[in-house]
Amino acid sequence: NAGVTQTPKFQVLKTGQSMTLQCAQDMNHEYMSWYRQDPGMGLRLIHYSVGAGITDQGEVPNGYNVSRSTTEDFPLRLLSAAPSQTSVYFCASRGADTQYFGPGTRLTVL
Amino acid sequence: LAKTTQPISMDSYEGQEVNITCSHNNIATNDYITWYQQFPSQGPRFIIQGYKTKVTNEVASLFIPADRKSSTLSLPRVSLSDTAVYYCLVGAPIGGATNKLIFGTGTLLAVQP
Repeated sequence: NAGVTQTPKFQVLKTGQSMTLQCAQDMNHEYMSWYRQDPGMGLRLIHYSVGAGITDQGEVPNGYNVSRSTTEDFPLRLLSAAPSQTSVYFCASRGADTQYFGPGTRLTVL
Repeated sequence: LAKTTQPISMDSYEGQEVNITCSHNNIATNDYITWYQQFPSQGPRFIIQGYKTKVTNEVASLFIPADRKSSTLSLPRVSLSDTAVYYCLVGAPIGGATNKLIFGTGTLLAVQP
């Protein structure tokens, strides 16, 4: 049981590049979400999903896409990276008694 | 969505009890109150959740007054390893009907020897 895993741990992009941050959970949780955390700030909700095939926007969805084709996976796509998207990204999965967060992906956009 | 207000920071010493208060004046009838802990370079970790009165687990207690417009996280006998940011959230309960969970700015607790 690995919990919530995220890849990569670190990533550097150039402005305009696209990439996908991977998130997977092995706890059969329906609810998954993506947050970003800027230095010295709290977490802000980007997108979330309440089950396979169902996604919705959070507080700061612009510039990001998500899909949920399986219960286990919830990838986050950056369509055209911008320096303002430099942040640490956390994926979370929620079950019956707690919410688990992944270790995070530290993204730098130059 | 109910907004929460917490102190930006608090200081304490090892062995003391620490109480962190969160204000949530527009909490909805179905909302629960959940607290998370975050260490640097790690994702948040669930601490405790409650709806009303008092909830206690092995790491903390949560006190919620009758009007539910505020809540207090109580950490007994803190140690240096309790130095972290603590977030108060208001919304759907863990395992319940799903909706957005919004984090506030949190409270940085600094524990000194």
